[in-house]
Amino acid sequence: AQSVTQLDSQVPVFEEAPVELRCNYSSSVSVYLFWYVQYPNQGLQLLLKYLSGSTLVKGINGFEAEFNKSQTSFHLRKPSVHISDTAEYFCAVTNAGNMLTFGGGTRLMVKP
Amino acid sequence: DTGVSQNPRHKITKRGQNVTFRCDPISEHNRLYWYRQTLGQGPEFLTYFQNEAQLEKSRLLSDRFSAERPKGSFSTLEIQRTEQGDSAMYLCASSSGGLAGGESYNEQFFGPGTRLTVL
Repeated sequence: AQSVTQLDSQVPVFEEAPVELRCNYSSSVSVYLFWYVQYPNQGLQLLLKYLSGSTLVKGINGFEAEFNKSQTSFHLRKPSVHISDTAEYFCAVTNAGNMLTFGGGTRLMVKP
Repeated sequence: DTGVSQNPRHKITKRGQNVTFRCDPISEHNRLYWYRQTLGQGPEFLTYFQNEAQLEKSRLLSDRFSAERPKGSFSTLEIQRTEQGDSAMYLCASSSGGLAGGESYNEQFFGPGTRLTVL
């Protein structure tokens, strides 16, 4: 069985400041890891994914994440946020490409 | 736009009624997934199809929930005898895919969801 924990339910940050959204996972087998973003009243959009290879993954909108196997973490970072980054962010894992297991989400609130 | 579409976008029903939601996947995708997202939570996997075959349904929440994909294209999710606890966003996603259980990952593209409110 797999599980995902997003330690922060809400992260307030000022515009142009850096941000890190934390994600830890639990799995007995190798996994693929993802970050999705959800804007109000919309579906999920893939930000980035780790399948294999380099542990530093770059995604859309200036986001990046680092896979740390020893710490079972996949934290999402952005060096400078914009108001438009205000949204809900979900970390997810899968080991077979079929069923995604999501964390509880982190609401990023960017303040002017 | 040829993304995943879901209808209706919103559904309000009274407790005890049956509801059906439709999902139209990206046309070339042979896999289709259903998830449920309750307020303040992440999406929760319900079931998925490879073409018309339902390959995983043990995660459906109860026997009141059922899904079909009769021709391997669109899919429907039905909830019978709705309860207030069924109020949630129901998300559909689609992906390309090989044999079931294959090791490769194919990105799941999500629709906008159907928000169900049970009064």
